[in-house]
Amino acid sequence: EIVMTQSPGTLSASPGDKITLSCRASANIASNLAWYQQKPGQAPRLLIHSASVRATGVPARFSGNGSGTDFTLTISSLQSADFAVYYCHQYNIYPPWTFGEGTKVEF
Amino acid sequence: QVQLQESGPGLVKPSETLSLTCTVSGGSVSSGTYFWSWIRQRPGKGLEWLAYIAHSGAAVYNPSLGGRATMSLDRSNNQFSLKLPSVTADDTAVYYCARDAGGAVAGLEYFQYWGQGTLVTVSS
Repeated sequence: EIVMTQSPGTLSASPGDKITLSCRASANIASNLAWYQQKPGQAPRLLIHSASVRATGVPARFSGNGSGTDFTLTISSLQSADFAVYYCHQYNIYPPWTFGEGTKVEF
Repeated sequence: QVQLQESGPGLVKPSETLSLTCTVSGGSVSSGTYFWSWIRQRPGKGLEWLAYIAHSGAAVYNPSLGGRATMSLDRSNNQFSLKLPSVTADDTAVYYCARDAGGAVAGLEYFQYWGQGTLVTVSS
């Protein structure tokens, strides 16, 4: 099983900040990595797939980078709507597909 | 636009069987392109992929379920289902159904569409 490790667990930031979230895979997953945003009481929402491709309708302030084992999600200028939990997900090797434990972005 | 809606009992007794159904609109479970998955989230925890089923009816399960789970397709009602017998309190979670972007093609197995989720509590 591929273990996904996200850091930090919680990130405190302010509107307008540029922030970077990290995700590390326990083995090479090429670029088969997705990022999701989850707000309280809601289902996760796909933000990024293939490590760096924004999903339809996702603002350009979200960007993904990385390949192999190390990945990042950057929000260039944090908006109030961006305070949420972010999960990375590897879909290179299964079963099982696996998720990271999440990074909570809080004010 | 694809939409998914979970349904099932909110409360299940320990040792009984959890049965959930996902109704799909805007797309067909008979499509050969996609995989249809169940994912759960225990209270305050992260996401755990449980299983997927393809249009053929072939299913793949997370080994962590220990062979307990069974998925099935209902093509006439455009639904897919999950049965999880012998539940314990550890199975208490929000259960989501989801569709990938084209799981039959490598590199498209990310989850593009999600249901809103349904909370299942295991308690006597």
